[in-house]
Amino acid sequence: EPEVTQTPSHQVTQMGQEVILRCVPISNHLYFYWYRQILGQKVEFLVSFYNNEISEKSEIFDDQFSVERPDGSNFTLKIRSTKLEDSAMYFCASREGAQETQYFGPGTRLLVL
Amino acid sequence: AQKITQTQPGMFVQEKEAVTLDCTYDTSDQSYGLFWYKQPSSGEMIFLIYQGSYDEQNATEGRYSLNFQKARKSANLVISASQLGDSAMYFCAMRDYPLIYNQGGKLIFGQGTELSVKP
Repeated sequence: EPEVTQTPSHQVTQMGQEVILRCVPISNHLYFYWYRQILGQKVEFLVSFYNNEISEKSEIFDDQFSVERPDGSNFTLKIRSTKLEDSAMYFCASREGAQETQYFGPGTRLLVL
Repeated sequence: AQKITQTQPGMFVQEKEAVTLDCTYDTSDQSYGLFWYKQPSSGEMIFLIYQGSYDEQNATEGRYSLNFQKARKSANLVISASQLGDSAMYFCAMRDYPLIYNQGGKLIFGQGTELSVKP
């Protein structure tokens, strides 16, 4: 069964460093999302992406964040200058156009020191 | 603004018994979707079940069913015949139907309920 994949599974970085989180959505899906979950808290929406552009973003998704679909399969989230409070689990999700369900990847656990 | 409320931070259930996890939602939209996801200790988010606001029948997927009461704005998850592997965090979520088609429809999550199944 097709699934969303994410790399790396874990990343440790120093404050101020740039990180790129990678996702491969399900191949025939058209809508892509990033969410994050700070430890012990609920899942929060960051950004949605459709037709090669951002369709919606939350107030969390400030100028430090960017997303890109560099080719037909990858979908990346870049954090330009990480802060301690960026430590969280980051989930990528994708959705087929005609269906409602968003399928999540296994997540990348980011720790900023 | 849309909001999801899960009032049970933790629940216990005996193996093989049924359990209901509560979820209430708040929205002014007529058209919306409701979801339940399971998050085991390993961290991934597993889709369980979906209910559309216009669906007249309650959704069912195997041992999972969604008790949808539109007037009460509740979408409780019922797990029948609990198994040890059901021990996990469960999140209720709502997808807002975007006014602009290509907005994509983000999911709004509740705080979650941690379910523990006892042998």
